[in-house]
Amino acid sequence: NAGVTQTPKFQVLKTGQSMTLQCAQDMNHEYMSWYRQDPGMGLRLIHYSVGAGITDQGEVPNGYNVSRSTTEDFPLRLLSAAPSQTSVYFCASRPLAGAVNEQFFGPGTRLTVL
Amino acid sequence: LAKTTQPISMDSYEGQEVNITCSHNNIATNDYITWYQQFPSQGPRFIIQGYKTKVTNEVASLFIPADRKSSTLSLPRVSLSDTAVYYCLVGGLSSNTGKLIFGQGTTLQVKP
Repeated sequence: NAGVTQTPKFQVLKTGQSMTLQCAQDMNHEYMSWYRQDPGMGLRLIHYSVGAGITDQGEVPNGYNVSRSTTEDFPLRLLSAAPSQTSVYFCASRPLAGAVNEQFFGPGTRLTVL
Repeated sequence: LAKTTQPISMDSYEGQEVNITCSHNNIATNDYITWYQQFPSQGPRFIIQGYKTKVTNEVASLFIPADRKSSTLSLPRVSLSDTAVYYCLVGGLSSNTGKLIFGQGTTLQVKP
């Protein structure tokens, strides 16, 4: 199993550009989520999904869109990038049943918005 | 979701036992307590979780008093490779939510 994979690893955008951060998992996990981590800070939840076709907002959803068309994929879209969105983005997944609250994280995408 | 409070940083030396305490005064009846570890430039990694009393695995122990308003992560005989940020989280499992909120974490620095 590859676990949770994220692409790209690094990305530089200009203000106003759009892009999609990709996240995929091959563990058949129902739950997937996106976090951002700013320097010296903990992780903040952006959006999450408990299954295909179901998404909900986390702590800091503004400026981000998500969709969940398949169990495996959970892309995060930035429609108009802003410098405040410069951060490291982590995707995570876990099964809804089984080990409670044990999430599996991807390696992260480091995004810089100029 | 219950808020957690933990020390911003801690120092220790190799071979010592490290105890990191987390306060969660507003923990709900169905909340579990979970700890994660994060190394620089990596995603967080699940360490341990519990509901009450004591839980032990190959990495750490988790002590939870009867009132569940705090918890202590215990790392036995730390090494330099245990230098990381440790996050305490509380949250319940629900088929409709199950989201976890991370705080600032505790930066543990292990010295030789």
